[in-house]
Amino acid sequence: EPEVTQTPSHQVTQMGQEVILRCVPISNHLYFYWYRQILGQKVEFLVSFYNNEISEKSEIFDDQFSVERPDGSNFTLKIRSTKLEDSAMYFCASSEDWGRETQYFGPGTRLLVL
Amino acid sequence: ILNVEQSPQSLHVQEGDSTNFTCSFPSSNFYALHWYRWETAKSPEALFVMTLNGDEKKKGRISATLNTKEGYSYLYIKGSQPEDSATYLCAYNNAGNMLTFGGGTRLMVKP
Repeated sequence: EPEVTQTPSHQVTQMGQEVILRCVPISNHLYFYWYRQILGQKVEFLVSFYNNEISEKSEIFDDQFSVERPDGSNFTLKIRSTKLEDSAMYFCASSEDWGRETQYFGPGTRLLVL
Repeated sequence: ILNVEQSPQSLHVQEGDSTNFTCSFPSSNFYALHWYRWETAKSPEALFVMTLNGDEKKKGRISATLNTKEGYSYLYIKGSQPEDSATYLCAYNNAGNMLTFGGGTRLMVKP
């Protein structure tokens, strides 16, 4: 069964460093998402992406975040200058269509900022 | 700010028990309600997408109901098994693609 994959599974970085989290969505899906879960808190929406553009973003998704689909398979989240509070589990998801469609999640990347 | 709440936060049951938990969400501007099952170190697994008031969906021993007028959904597990141990997440969608998640119910089934 097709699945969303994410790399790396864990990443440790120093405050102020740039990190890139990578995702390979399900191949025929057109909509891509990033969510995060800070330890002990709810899963939060960051951004959705369609047709090489951001379609929705939350207040969390400020100028230090960016997303890109650099080729036909990868979908990346870049955090330019990491802060301690960026430590979280970051989930990528994808869906075939817009709206009431199931969003399929990857296993997450656990990011720790020291 | 959309408030999606799940109760209880955690639940311990014996193998063979049936159980249920609740997701409450804003009843206005409802679009869809998603249920996921999440085991540690694995991807959250999609269980159901529910869209219509009165919807009932079933997958094996797991079923869910939806009441959009009063803003709640129940998830039922019949005859719990140890492999049902996981965190069950609901997520509310009021438009577009953004999902707003509840805090989850952590279920532990003792053999």
